Amino acid sequence: IAGITQAPTSQILAAGRRMTLRCTQDMRHNAMYWYRQDLGLGLRLIHYSNTAGTTGKGEVPDGYSVSRANTDDFPLTLASAVPSQTSVYFCASSQGTGGTGELFFGEGSRLTVL
Amino acid sequence: GQNIDQPTEMTATEGAIVQINCTYQTSGFNGLFWYQQHAGEAPTFLSYNVLDGLEEKGRFSSFLSRSKGYSYLLLKELQMKDSASYLCAVLDSNYQLIWGAGTKLIIKP
Repeated sequence: IAGITQAPTSQILAAGRRMTLRCTQDMRHNAMYWYRQDLGLGLRLIHYSNTAGTTGKGEVPDGYSVSRANTDDFPLTLASAVPSQTSVYFCASSQGTGGTGELFFGEGSRLTVL
Repeated sequence: GQNIDQPTEMTATEGAIVQINCTYQTSGFNGLFWYQQHAGEAPTFLSYNVLDGLEEKGRFSSFLSRSKGYSYLLLKELQMKDSASYLCAVLDSNYQLIWGAGTKLIIKP
């Protein structure tokens, strides 16, 4: 593993199903983030974590939850998927907190909710 | 509200120079980032400006004017591989990143 790994790469999901997007980093970065990217819109922050054991809500947290049990892993869960959650999801990390550092992104998870 | 404005799409010729503008209205300012994103791939970091002026990094330069709420990314000696979207993002007073929708740059031979 080098950098950030996301899984799955792509998924089609029925509405109402539960889904967890996995994110693992091997850079020992403190901060991790989940963004969604939709056509015509900027990246929008869903949830973030400044360090293991802590999480915070971003701009669009409703319908999503996260956990940060350790430094490396930051899964994103959709408890009951809805079609408006169809998007490309990017996990990212940075060495420092406070947003001043360079973000390193995973390759993205393309999710389609039918 | 907070807002980042970038042109949706630009076209340029291989070997030429292109300037991608970004204007912002945010609650406070703690720096501006530019990222490159090739189609279907992850964004990658290009530059960070927190002080006024021009930062040069190889073929790419980034300029910032805080008083005007304005930045641009300058790409010289364009290559076909520069075809990508370029994302502008501003760090506001709460250290939250506000992202623009991105500028899709098309390079023609």
